[in-house]
Amino acid sequence: DTAVSQTPKYLVTQMGNDKSIKCEQNLGHDTMYWYKQDSKKFLKIMFSYNNKELIINETVPNRFSPKSPDKAHLNLHINSLELGDSAVYFCASSLTRDSYNEQFFGPGTRLTVL
Amino acid sequence: GQQVMQIPQYQHVQEGEDFTTYCNSSTTLSNIQWYKQRPGGHPVFLIQLVKSGEVKKQKRLTFQFGEAKKNSSLHITATQTTDVGTYFCAGPEGSGNTGKLIFGQGTTLQVKP
Repeated sequence: DTAVSQTPKYLVTQMGNDKSIKCEQNLGHDTMYWYKQDSKKFLKIMFSYNNKELIINETVPNRFSPKSPDKAHLNLHINSLELGDSAVYFCASSLTRDSYNEQFFGPGTRLTVL
Repeated sequence: GQQVMQIPQYQHVQEGEDFTTYCNSSTTLSNIQWYKQRPGGHPVFLIQLVKSGEVKKQKRLTFQFGEAKKNSSLHITATQTTDVGTYFCAGPEGSGNTGKLIFGQGTTLQVKP
């Protein structure tokens, strides 16, 4: 039973399109995250939700909009996709928002914008 | 802003050789976490260090947290091909009450059989 799952695994799309990535965790965790990993493997946090409340909102273009319908789900919608959005997007979760908790990562969504 | 730096960026070793990656923070950390990402995979938590000067071992892996809690290292003894991947250290930003982790750039380890 997968702890943190993401769909789709691969996403290839044209510039200017709108796309969504979905994430679900079955660990009963309170906190979920979206990370972007670029081609140099640098991992940067984008957003975090704690019990459906947005608690981390990094300097990310407002074309990116997260949504958490409940604490087990965190989706990421991207409008007007650009070439620079090509990356691997990881969802993660942790028991609480306390930094002492380990984070569990999903398998990632590789987004390619053409 | 707060930064976590990791060196080296890449390391190629012969199977059986040792490997070390170093992590330095611009600020004192309450704790530090280490993650491993296999090629094509996702980061997986390895360990957390909390106390000043702490040393923890997992089989051939030895993790250290500096006395000042600003640096850490991961040492692998007698590398194996299964050790291939990118190793990240990560420290909490600020007070750590948001769960936000600042990740180092990672060290990618290649092991030649």
